[in-house]
Amino acid sequence: GAVVSQHPSWVICKSGTSVKIECRSLDFQATTMFWYRQFPKQSLMLMATSNEGSKATYEQGVEKDKFLINHASLTLSTLTVTSAHPEDSSFYICSARMTGFYEQYFGPGTRLTVT
Amino acid sequence: AQSVTQLGSHVSVSEGALVLLRCNYSSSVPPYLFWYVQYPNQGLQLLLKYTSAATLVKGINGFEAEFKKSETSFHLTKPSAHMSDAAEYFCAVSDGNQGGKLIFGQGTELSVKP
Repeated sequence: GAVVSQHPSWVICKSGTSVKIECRSLDFQATTMFWYRQFPKQSLMLMATSNEGSKATYEQGVEKDKFLINHASLTLSTLTVTSAHPEDSSFYICSARMTGFYEQYFGPGTRLTVT
Repeated sequence: AQSVTQLGSHVSVSEGALVLLRCNYSSSVPPYLFWYVQYPNQGLQLLLKYTSAATLVKGINGFEAEFKKSETSFHLTKPSAHMSDAAEYFCAVSDGNQGGKLIFGQGTELSVKP
């Protein structure tokens, strides 16, 4: 149980284009989803928290107009990287949490490469 | 504010030896504590969690951790390392507020020598 999927698992895009990453909780309802960014050999950096039907809460220093997050249903959250640049290349990981529980279940991650 | 410190960015053990990964936390309220494992190019998998029940927590793959309030520690152990345990391990803390955010430690890379 508690499976979270991400799509795509990897994507290559050209500088200036936008990329959408989907995060789905497959067997539970996720009232809260989180988006992280991870650089090589580093820990996870929380980018934003999203609650179903509400605007996402972004961490300090994260550009909300660049990283658009939508949590339209209890099983789906999306992250859109707009006007991507090479410095946006990274490993993006989502996680989901069930109401009343504090552990998060993580997706397999999406490797984004911007050329 | 909460924080997590993992002592040792890299730990190397021989196959069959004891695994001990250290985690100390700082929290002004009773914490919820977690250990996650990450294999290369993958997401994180929950190993175990402490949520104010038993102080000795057993997790998957033979791992366990003991919550010690007096030492503000939550060290991860496994009696006998296996080659497949080689991975990155993250300790994390949540205070149950702030929307359930997790604060992660820096991570410890575990190597297992044959």
